[in-house]
Amino acid sequence: EAGVVQSPRYKIIEKKQPVAFWCNPISGHNTLYWYRQNLGQGPELLIRYENEEAVDDSQLPKDRFSAERLKGVDSTLKIQPAELGDSAVYLCASSPPGRRYGYTFGSGTRLTVV
Amino acid sequence: DAKTTQPNSMESNEEEPVHLPCNHSTISGTDYIHWYRQLPSQGPEYVIHGLTSNVNNRMASLAIAEDRKSSTLILHRATLRDAAVYYCILLSNFGNEKLTFGTGTRLTIIP
Repeated sequence: EAGVVQSPRYKIIEKKQPVAFWCNPISGHNTLYWYRQNLGQGPELLIRYENEEAVDDSQLPKDRFSAERLKGVDSTLKIQPAELGDSAVYLCASSPPGRRYGYTFGSGTRLTVV
Repeated sequence: DAKTTQPNSMESNEEEPVHLPCNHSTISGTDYIHWYRQLPSQGPEYVIHGLTSNVNNRMASLAIAEDRKSSTLILHRATLRDAAVYYCILLSNFGNEKLTFGTGTRLTIIP
């Protein structure tokens, strides 16, 4: 079974430029999460989707971050414009119905803003 | 979300058992205790979870105190591949539950 697939693996951009991250969850996992992990810290939830509906986006900085999950499968997280402080690892995870356990994370996208 | 407390770091010798503690004195009756670990340059991976009884799987064992205010993740025979950050997380089975990570315990395995 393929795991959660994220791309790109690494991204370096200049500040004020846009950037997008893509996530393909495990087949059948209706819940999808985007987390951000700063150096030396644990991951922090940005947004959670149930199918195509964003049910928790309270931690998403909406002035510059946006996300979508068309057709309830793949998802894209976008930053526009990027700031130096956005440098972090962006992790995507998915979980099946009955999500008390079994979150599966991708390997993440390491973003460096210069 | 209920809070957990873990040591920042631990060391263990290779091929010896490792006991990773976690305190969660404010745990509620509906909170499950979950453990995830994060290997270098990887996303977190699920290790084990439990509610009241001790649990075993192929990766580890979870020992839960009788009052549920603490738990211990046990790696029975540590290998170099077990070097990672280990997160202890409480997750309710009701409501808008989500994994909320702390800073975890960085486990170093000494060859």
